Amino acid sequence: AQSVTQPDIHITVSEGASLELRCNYSYGATPYLFWYVQSPGQGLQLLLKYFSGDTLVQGIKGFEAEFKRSQSSFNLRKPSVHWSDAAEYFCAVAADKIIFGKGTRLHILP
Amino acid sequence: GAGVSQSPSNKVTEKGKDVELRCDPISGHTALYWYRQRLGQGLEFLIYFQGNSAPDKSGLPSDRFSAERTGESVSTLTIQRTQQEDSAVYLCASSSPSGRAKETQYFGPGTRLLVL
Repeated sequence: AQSVTQPDIHITVSEGASLELRCNYSYGATPYLFWYVQSPGQGLQLLLKYFSGDTLVQGIKGFEAEFKRSQSSFNLRKPSVHWSDAAEYFCAVAADKIIFGKGTRLHILP
Repeated sequence: GAGVSQSPSNKVTEKGKDVELRCDPISGHTALYWYRQRLGQGLEFLIYFQGNSAPDKSGLPSDRFSAERTGESVSTLTIQRTQQEDSAVYLCASSSPSGRAKETQYFGPGTRLLVL
């Protein structure tokens, strides 16, 4: 069975700083991988997804994620965060069904 | 076009009462999911509908929980004899079918349920 771990419950960065949110998964093969974002009071919105091919995936809002098979990771990155990026971020892994991580809440300092 | 809508946006009920939560998916989306999101937790899968196939109910936590879907449109999640631990945000998502694991899900804003 697949599982997904987001080690950081909260992350705080300054506006304009770079960001990396960690995601590790457990699965025997390469699963489908997703990052979703949930702004306050909103549902989740897909940022990006990886199925196969190029391991560096570009998403919306300037986000990217890199699939590293050797580390079973799919970390989310952004070179320069904006105050509007403050939200909760969920990594998800799917094989026969999708499983979401517990989320990382991102706080932005002005 | 309209996204996924859910109603009510907030619901306060007393322990032991029944509640119904509604989800209107995006038109044309044959797949529909219900999730529960407790405070500080990730998304807990409840149930999955896909077209006319039998729903995947494997995530329903107890027989107090049930869900129905009318064709490929509205879905209702019913919680009977609510308990305080049922307090959570209930999220609905829909998608067009491209294989369950690959589907990009479009989420509604959720219904925040508080059981007193």
